[in-house]
Amino acid sequence: NAGVTQTPKFQVLKTGQSMTLQCAQDMNHEYMSWYRQDPGMGLRLIHYSVGAGITDQGEVPNGYNVSRSTTEDFPLRLLSAAPSQTSVYFCASSRPTGAGNTIYFGEGSWLTVV
Amino acid sequence: AQTVTQSQPEMSVQEAETVTLSCTYDTSESDYYLFWYKQPPSRQMILVIRQEAYKQQNATENRFSVNFQKAAKSFSLKISDSQLGDAAMYFCVAVSGSRLTFGEGTQLTVNP
Repeated sequence: NAGVTQTPKFQVLKTGQSMTLQCAQDMNHEYMSWYRQDPGMGLRLIHYSVGAGITDQGEVPNGYNVSRSTTEDFPLRLLSAAPSQTSVYFCASSRPTGAGNTIYFGEGSWLTVV
Repeated sequence: AQTVTQSQPEMSVQEAETVTLSCTYDTSESDYYLFWYKQPPSRQMILVIRQEAYKQQNATENRFSVNFQKAAKSFSLKISDSQLGDAAMYFCVAVSGSRLTFGEGTQLTVNP
């Protein structure tokens, strides 16, 4: 099925642990991005990528890093988890503006850091 | 910089009535898209409607329609004949190039 696949859906981490949230899309989209959504709030951009080998920081990049070695995959790494990183994380993909784009979202990854 | 503002944190509507959710945006780009996404408690992001900035005609999808005022940078969502299943958080989103900018969201309650 075409779409954005995020794993894991739920994860509990201890403070200081590291982990990787996986994101994959099979639509050959150039643009991919990661967001976090805290309770009662909108989505805030963590990192984004405009193509394989190209990444850039969003508004809340600290504590996370990303890589884009292929068009399909865009993993998000938490380097040393902190309770402030407890949130729901969304991956999204799309084509460039003007190409009839729609934003496709993964189903979200619920992360709790204790 | 690109910003999106939803000035109504919460709205409520009676079932079968009409409700309008407000959104204003600011962008320096000439080529952009605007979207409304619905997020139910499951947190899934569901596309409601989209509008290309170069189109003057307002987008419509069944009971959902927008009032796109480009000069005023306004993009409101009208929901007609509201149903219980419309209850959700609604996000206004502006997209230009690779950049997606979300509003803070409006929590819509539908009363039976």
